[in-house]
Amino acid sequence: EVQLMESGGGVVQPGGSLRLSCAASGFTFSRFSFNWVRQAPGKGLEWISYISTDGRNKDYAVSVKGRFTISRDNARTSLSLQMNSLRDEDTAVYYCARDRGSGDLHIYPYDRWGQGTLVAVSS
Amino acid sequence: DIVMTQSPDLLAVSLGERATINCRSSQSVLSTANNMNYLAWYQQKAGQPPKLLIYWASSRESGVPDRFRGGGSGTDFTLTINGLQAEDVAVYYCQQYQTSPQTFGQGTKLEIK
Repeated sequence: EVQLMESGGGVVQPGGSLRLSCAASGFTFSRFSFNWVRQAPGKGLEWISYISTDGRNKDYAVSVKGRFTISRDNARTSLSLQMNSLRDEDTAVYYCARDRGSGDLHIYPYDRWGQGTLVAVSS
Repeated sequence: DIVMTQSPDLLAVSLGERATINCRSSQSVLSTANNMNYLAWYQQKAGQPPKLLIYWASSRESGVPDRFRGGGSGTDFTLTINGLQAEDVAVYYCQQYQTSPQTFGQGTKLEIK
């Protein structure tokens, strides 16, 4: 069974840092590209980052570029999101989501999602 | 960025009836290279992550009931749910995945009338 499980969320002060992880199982992790998508409380979905199968290609939303860093470890079948300089507006549930297609073109919808981890930025 | 706009924001439909949700993109998501529309629909039930229903505008994901149907091309798309069931209560999102940033509509909340 395909599973994605996020962890690492919590409460952090503005300007602080947090590292999210997404543990994957039940499929060949290295064949798929991944994304982080967030959802502020009561709001819609916002794509924030993408990483290709080998980790060489990365992409970020303007809202997080320069502050967030996506990475992956194919040997450990895990995905990470390092979040620095956190702001109030970063408060959200963060989901890891798998590209439906295999390969390194960022042109697929997301066919598997984790349950999400809540990040709350508050003083 | 491609802006995705859904209508209505809230939709109330009786059990067994048809629900129709619209999605419009600010520019075409139809690729002239392969004649495919880079448009997906997701369903998000309360407290759950989104679930992929439809991709390429009209292809149903495995396991999705055939009462869910996607249509449209270019900039105008629809998600139709025939024979609404109680379990279909959710927020529905469209998404374009042709161009980065891949953007979502604001969501349509579907309720039972």
